[in-house]
Amino acid sequence: AQSVTQPDIHITVSEGASLELRCNYSYGATPYLFWYVQSPGQGLQLLLKYFSGDTLVQGIKGFEAEFKRSQSSFNLRKPSVHWSDAAEYFCAVGVRTNDMRFGAGTRLTVKP
Amino acid sequence: NAGVMQNPRHLVRRRGQEARLRCSPMKGHSHVYWYRQLPEEGLKFMVYLQKENIIDESGMPKERFSAEFPKEGPSILRIQQVVRGDSAAYFCASSSLRGANQPQHFGDGTRLSIL
Repeated sequence: AQSVTQPDIHITVSEGASLELRCNYSYGATPYLFWYVQSPGQGLQLLLKYFSGDTLVQGIKGFEAEFKRSQSSFNLRKPSVHWSDAAEYFCAVGVRTNDMRFGAGTRLTVKP
Repeated sequence: NAGVMQNPRHLVRRRGQEARLRCSPMKGHSHVYWYRQLPEEGLKFMVYLQKENIIDESGMPKERFSAEFPKEGPSILRIQQVVRGDSAAYFCASSSLRGANQPQHFGDGTRLSIL
């Protein structure tokens, strides 16, 4: 069955430090992969997406993600975290039009 | 604001009442999706609609829940005879085209609290 796993429920990093949020998926074909960010009390905002081609994709707010087929992973990275990056991050797989599977999310806390 | 608009932002109901959640998709979008988010969990798909049609309601509970997307006006998610377990954040998303590669644009959600 198709699924998305975000192994880390909560991550704390210091401002200015690098960040990597993990995402693993289970899907037979090449999936469509997305990362969304959710600030408290708000909806989800698309950070970046991967469909095909270059496995390293750039997104908004300085985020990037790398698709690794051999590891079934699509990890999100940022070289230097800002306090405003504190939020919940969701990885998602587009399986069919009406079937976007979301991970349970990773909550990011940024220490001053 | 041309984004996905949901109202109300917060809704409080007593057990047994009805809850109506509204969603106006982005301008030009004819595909609407409803999700439910329980605390500490990701989003769970509920229903996918196009104008006047329910395409997939496989994620929707069989009883008490219904959705519509009329030709004119917003999409409505309706919950009858609410129970405590219905307390959650309900998100609406829209897309302009059909396809698993189409990003969905989300509203800010409706937080439903059942007393």
